[in-house]
Amino acid sequence: DTEVTQTPKHLVMGMTNKKSLKCEQHMGHRAMYWYKQKAKKPPELMFVYSYEKLSINESVPSRFSPECPNSSLLNLHLHALQPEDSALYLCASSQKGTSQVAQYFGPGTRLTVL
Amino acid sequence: AQSVTQLGSHVSVSEGALVLLRCNYSSSVPPYLFWYVQYPNQGLQLLLKYTTGATLVKGINGFEAEFKKSETSFHLTKPSAHMSDAAEYFCAVSEGVTGSASKLTFGTGTRLQVTL
Repeated sequence: DTEVTQTPKHLVMGMTNKKSLKCEQHMGHRAMYWYKQKAKKPPELMFVYSYEKLSINESVPSRFSPECPNSSLLNLHLHALQPEDSALYLCASSQKGTSQVAQYFGPGTRLTVL
Repeated sequence: AQSVTQLGSHVSVSEGALVLLRCNYSSSVPPYLFWYVQYPNQGLQLLLKYTTGATLVKGINGFEAEFKKSETSFHLTKPSAHMSDAAEYFCAVSEGVTGSASKLTFGTGTRLQVTL
């Protein structure tokens, strides 16, 4: 089973709202990722968690706050977002190991910031 | 730093025709290469990957890719296009990062259109 689930599928929020995106995998993967994808562009890496610890933050603004409560869950907390943050947010996971392993993606959350 | 270049942002083929999507890589170490497909309003699905060993890699949905070190290429092919193949295709190269994670660098993508 190579399934990564994400909720919600769609999210509309105002610039003063606080919301969270959730990601879950049950493949025993120990690395999890958040990507942001704008229309007609490739995904851009935001955060990498390895063994529930943040290992990469690609200079993402602090209005995005990741959290990894356990090895199966990954959250992205959103606060005071800007309209330009509207995008498809993708979660991915991969097995422990080297860069040979593939990342498996969830269906994404379509975020609209008004 | 590793990178991939996808030639052609848009490719159009007739149903039943050969599909060829081009990807060239730049890497100072043996690369680990991937092809992903993205259907509208969906996430990315792994088509195939090259790590080591056989240079001709077979993937899902009848796709395959050949790693050619001399040409620094990893082109994706399918002998006969189907309407359901219409999607965005991304080539990516992977490098290891701290811990057990990897970092994917994507190409700009190629949109495949399949016509009747």
